[in-house]
Amino acid sequence: GDSVTQMEGPVTLSEEAFLTINCTYTATGYPSLFWYVQYPGEGLQLLLKATKADDKGSNKGFEATYRKETTSFHLEKGSVQVSDSAVYFCALGNEKLTFGTGTRLTIIP
Amino acid sequence: NAGVTQTPKFQVLKTGQSMTLQCAQDMNHEYMSWYRQDPGMGLRLIHYSVGAGITDQGEVPNGYNVSRSTTEDFPLRLLSAAPSQTSVYFCASSRRDPTGGIDEKLFFGSGTQLSVL
Repeated sequence: GDSVTQMEGPVTLSEEAFLTINCTYTATGYPSLFWYVQYPGEGLQLLLKATKADDKGSNKGFEATYRKETTSFHLEKGSVQVSDSAVYFCALGNEKLTFGTGTRLTIIP
Repeated sequence: NAGVTQTPKFQVLKTGQSMTLQCAQDMNHEYMSWYRQDPGMGLRLIHYSVGAGITDQGEVPNGYNVSRSTTEDFPLRLLSAAPSQTSVYFCASSRRDPTGGIDEKLFFGSGTQLSVL
């Protein structure tokens, strides 16, 4: 079945550092790929998505590119802020979403 | 806009007790689903529904029942709670796109934290 493998956390960075959270997947067909973010005490929110190979999703300074050849969808941000501290989930699917285990990110001032 | 509303926010049960977690959405979404979130496991799909009267099993359906009598509501029932069902439960909904897939994004409720003693 479909699966998502995410970079193990937790990840701690200083403010303004460059962020990469790795995500690779296995899937049949051509699923959409997503990054969701969960802030403390809240449900998940969609951060960005890509629906086909070579698509780049972007939002709030975060970017991820759908790489079919490497089956990856790595999340990047050039300069993180304290407010980016959250848990990030990579996911794939169409009718049903399969989530990764999540990566906890902490940004220190 | 209320979005996706889950009740209760917290619940403590004894082993063997039954209860229903409520989920309601006011966005006229066809697709609704239940996930459980456990440390180190991410979110795992329990059950989902693509419309009123239609439900299907997800990855971890055992011990849970669902029904979808209306578009708005998608309750999750635990018939005989077990300690292994201690978890945070999230309900989510979305529209369906013309091809039948999930449209744009899932809208999540704020979760129900369940402890089974």
